[in-house]
Amino acid sequence: DAGVIQSPRHEVTEMGQEVTLRCKPISGHNSLFWYRQTMMRGLELLIYFNNNVPIDDSGMPEDRFSAKMPNASFSTLKIQPSEPRDSAVYFCASSSGTLRDGYTFGSGTRLTVV
Amino acid sequence: GEDVEQSLFLSVREGDSSVINCTYTDSSSTYLYWYKQEPGAGLQLLTYIFSNMDMKQDQRLTVLLNKKDKHLSLRIADTQTGDSAIYFCAEIPGGSYIPTFGRGTSLIVHP
Repeated sequence: DAGVIQSPRHEVTEMGQEVTLRCKPISGHNSLFWYRQTMMRGLELLIYFNNNVPIDDSGMPEDRFSAKMPNASFSTLKIQPSEPRDSAVYFCASSSGTLRDGYTFGSGTRLTVV
Repeated sequence: GEDVEQSLFLSVREGDSSVINCTYTDSSSTYLYWYKQEPGAGLQLLTYIFSNMDMKQDQRLTVLLNKKDKHLSLRIADTQTGDSAIYFCAEIPGGSYIPTFGRGTSLIVHP
């Protein structure tokens, strides 16, 4: 398996523009997580899907952020409009639900909003 | 919410042992993990320990769990420059499938 695949790896955009981050989880994994990593706040959970259904979105910062999982093999995180304070590395992770196997992370998308 | 705490930095000499410490807050946590993050990469699972265990050894890695003090440690024997990375402790609170991560400890290995 190629692991969790995220795209793009890097994104630079202007303030006010819409940004869409993409994630393909590991085939057969039924849980998907979006995290944001910054120096100031560390790793923050944004949203958690189980069987394509959002279970916990309490970490989504505000209405500018939205996430979808239309099927088991694809998820998006959208920011509209983007702001400089959204600059961070965004990670997607997936899990089979077997806790001892842990969570498999993608390589992340480094977002810079100027 | 739950807080997992780690010191931010650890510096060791190549060949020495490294010990990275973590405290967690949920006494009903089932699984505890150590993840490694290299520059520009995602987090990679190093090892886990189940809550009914006190110790787990995997090659150069030794995990110790003190449930009474809610303390977890990761010992890396014969630390190499390739071990330089950020190490994250994470817990699964009881009844949850959502991991709570610490802020990470930056391990710096110098010759």
